[in-house]
Amino acid sequence: EAQVTQNPRYLITVTGKKLTVTCSQNMNHEYMSWYRQDPGLGLRQIYYSMNVEVTDKGDVPEGYKVSRKEKRNFPLILESPSPNQTSLYFCASSSNTEAFFGQGTRLTVV
Amino acid sequence: DQQVKQNSPSLSVQEGRISILNCDYTNSMFDYFLWYKKYPAEGPTFLISISSIKDKNEDGRFTVFLNKSAKHLSLHIVPSQPGDSAVYFCAASWGTSGSRLTFGEGTQLTVNP
Repeated sequence: EAQVTQNPRYLITVTGKKLTVTCSQNMNHEYMSWYRQDPGLGLRQIYYSMNVEVTDKGDVPEGYKVSRKEKRNFPLILESPSPNQTSLYFCASSSNTEAFFGQGTRLTVV
Repeated sequence: DQQVKQNSPSLSVQEGRISILNCDYTNSMFDYFLWYKKYPAEGPTFLISISSIKDKNEDGRFTVFLNKSAKHLSLHIVPSQPGDSAVYFCAASWGTSGSRLTFGEGTQLTVNP
């Protein structure tokens, strides 16, 4: 079964404490992305990767890092989280015609 | 600037009637358009797509229409069912379609029994 798996599903953390949200896919896709969903703004792309070791900024990359050391994994790193990064995060793995999304990570930074 | 806009935050229709969700875009480079459906506590799931070389694509109860001259697309759901109640996102891309999707703000569709 095609899957995009994110962990954790829910996370509450404090300002400044580094965290990583993991994402893995089993579809052998080259493209992977991270999005955040905020009320009234839809989904905005944070970072994307077109292949192993190839990553690029999306529309809202500030405060985030990513890495793509292997095809199946694309972790999202917040080195020093701030309250404005409280959001719902989605990882996506894409073929040429559609993106498959994970179930989301609800992050709260206090 | 919002390149993909869904101007209606919400839409309410009766079961059995048609639901029409609208989406406008500004970037003429977009060549592929998709609709995603999202239930609470789940990730978005792909619903239907259309290439810019077409003006209509149909899949069962779902039809997407594209008007390139107006930079407008719409999703029609006929007949609407209560299980269709969800947030619908319009998305657009260009070039390598899957990797860079630009989403609209979403429209909450409620289908009343």
